[in-house]
Amino acid sequence: KNEVEQSPQNLTAQEGEFITINCSYSVGISALHWLQQHPGGGIVSLFMLSSGKKKHGRLIATINIQEKHSSLHITASHPRDSAVYICAVTTGNQFYFGTGTSLTVIP
Amino acid sequence: EPEVTQTPSHQVTQMGQEVILRCVPISNHLYFYWYRQILGQKVEFLVSFYNNEISEKSEIFDDQFSVERPDGSNFTLKIRSTKLEDSAMYFCASSAGTASYNEQFFGPGTRLTVL
Repeated sequence: KNEVEQSPQNLTAQEGEFITINCSYSVGISALHWLQQHPGGGIVSLFMLSSGKKKHGRLIATINIQEKHSSLHITASHPRDSAVYICAVTTGNQFYFGTGTSLTVIP
Repeated sequence: EPEVTQTPSHQVTQMGQEVILRCVPISNHLYFYWYRQILGQKVEFLVSFYNNEISEKSEIFDDQFSVERPDGSNFTLKIRSTKLEDSAMYFCASSAGTASYNEQFFGPGTRLTVL
């Protein structure tokens, strides 16, 4: 049973393209996190959301609590954005992770 | 910029041996976490720790696992008798407050290989 589903699993884009990664979840949550995992394995937190929308540079994250859905958008994608993007939800201090979306941006 | 550190970066052990993975969270953070990621699989939550006790733990975190904050800086994960299936990358994370309202900061991970 997967509490968190992400799509697509893999994504290849040309540099400059607008990218959307989707996350759906089935549990009641207190927050949703978007994480970036670099090819070397390190994990960086991008956003923590409990409602609405957040923007940081070229990254935008939205969440719809009623629909149990979140999206991560990357505008003007760049090869350095190539990484695995992970959606994780917390129900308090317990976490459920998606399997990740592997993004490759080609110059 | 403050960061979470983990040691060692790679640990190789024989099946049945005890291992201790070490983490130094960001100094003013109050919540601490351990996660694991088996090669090619998704990240899995193990345990959260606050105020010197376990807040939440997953089904994976059985009696073979324990966590401790032995002093004011270190946060450790002990696996008492390692199994082959414990081979994974183990990530420590910390946050200033509860993860419902605070972002987490992750360490670089310890790759555990059980032979």
